[in-house]
Amino acid sequence: QKEVEQDPGPLSVPEGAIVSLNCTYSNSAFQYFMWYRQYSRKGPELLMYTYSSGNKEDGRFTAQVDKSSKYISLFIRDSQPSDSATYLCAMIGVANNLFFGTGTRLTVIP
Amino acid sequence: SAVISQKPSRDICQRGTSLTIQCQVDSQVTMMFWYRQQPGQSLTLIATANQGSEATYESGFVIDKFPISRPNLTFSTLTVSNMSPEDSSIYLCSVVEGGGTDTQYFGPGTRLTVL
Repeated sequence: QKEVEQDPGPLSVPEGAIVSLNCTYSNSAFQYFMWYRQYSRKGPELLMYTYSSGNKEDGRFTAQVDKSSKYISLFIRDSQPSDSATYLCAMIGVANNLFFGTGTRLTVIP
Repeated sequence: SAVISQKPSRDICQRGTSLTIQCQVDSQVTMMFWYRQQPGQSLTLIATANQGSEATYESGFVIDKFPISRPNLTFSTLTVSNMSPEDSSIYLCSVVEGGGTDTQYFGPGTRLTVL
């Protein structure tokens, strides 16, 4: 079983839609959870960073962590074509190692 | 956040040769890492680059294949040695700035194609 599971998509939505991206994980020791956005031919860019369970909001983005279910989500409201990218979830394990999902490719259609 | 650059941005290499990738940060950082991102797969940690000492490699990666240097707190190199087509991938360095945060920031990546 992989440490982190993420549906690779691809996911296509119309402009203005609400996007829901999800990851599940198996290691209950994970405490820090991140979402990265990666545009084509670029390195991953940190989008959201949360600690433990709960919600965190930043503009149109909301990150949600449910540790009891080992499930994290990223919601994008009022999606824009500029949101088209691959979104990777990541979690910090021991020794500061990051464990990544495979990424979900999102396309927002104008 | 730290600004990270990598050289080269891309390269096409012949089987059996070696390529050294450079990672430069505009500020001193506590930790530097090297990752590989193969097509359709998640990022995989190759090693932690330790300043002034040997890198710490993850399972499946060895120093002879991926020698790493980190002579100071702003610079590191990763060499991909005796390359084969299976080494075709994007190689990324990342840094942790320190100061109480574990947030990692990534460089733009080096796209390597081995023929």
